[in-house]
Amino acid sequence: EDQVTQSPEALRLQEGESSSLNCSYTVSGLRGLFWYRQDPGKGPEFLFTLYSAGEEKEKERLKATLTKKESFLHITAPKPEDSATYLCAVYTSGTYKYIFGTGTRLKVLA
Amino acid sequence: KAGVTQTPRYLIKTRGQQVTLSCSPISGHRSVSWYQQTPGQGLQFLFEYFSETQRNKGNFPGRFSGRQFSNSRSEMNVSTLELGDSALYLCASSLEGWAGENTEAFFGQGTRLTVV
Repeated sequence: EDQVTQSPEALRLQEGESSSLNCSYTVSGLRGLFWYRQDPGKGPEFLFTLYSAGEEKEKERLKATLTKKESFLHITAPKPEDSATYLCAVYTSGTYKYIFGTGTRLKVLA
Repeated sequence: KAGVTQTPRYLIKTRGQQVTLSCSPISGHRSVSWYQQTPGQGLQFLFEYFSETQRNKGNFPGRFSGRQFSNSRSEMNVSTLELGDSALYLCASSLEGWAGENTEAFFGQGTRLTVV
């Protein structure tokens, strides 16, 4: 069965303290892996799509990487405004649906 | 360009009632999918529509149904509401919603449904 697992569930960082969030997946026919940011009471905001192992994408303080079994979201020198829940999702061929992990709740302290 | 629009933003309903939620996708997007989000379960897939056809359905009871119109707008209906249906219902649209490029899904702000 297709599965996505995110770790840690929650993470507290000091401002400027870099870290990584993990998304491991077990799927057949991966067609894309996505990272989203979600603020309380709002819909997820699209961040990145990764299609193949070895691919990397960057946006401001965020960098996403992909291997054959997992993806990492690296946060460099985070700021309090980076506090949110970060969701990982996969899209597999023929299913027409996204499978989401349960997310990592990130809190960045000033 | 305008994003995904969901209406209403908030709803309070009584057990046993039915409810209809609406989603207008990004212009040009033909795939619309619906998700239920609760604190304990995270984002759970309900169903996906493409060009007015339901292509996949999640593991939800038949009380949950949906449809898509020719302009790609979609509605979701829940009949005989139960307390456990209280959740944030999210709609997402994508250009094609299938294998290959352009599978990114963009979400609306959601409809917060409370069943009392």
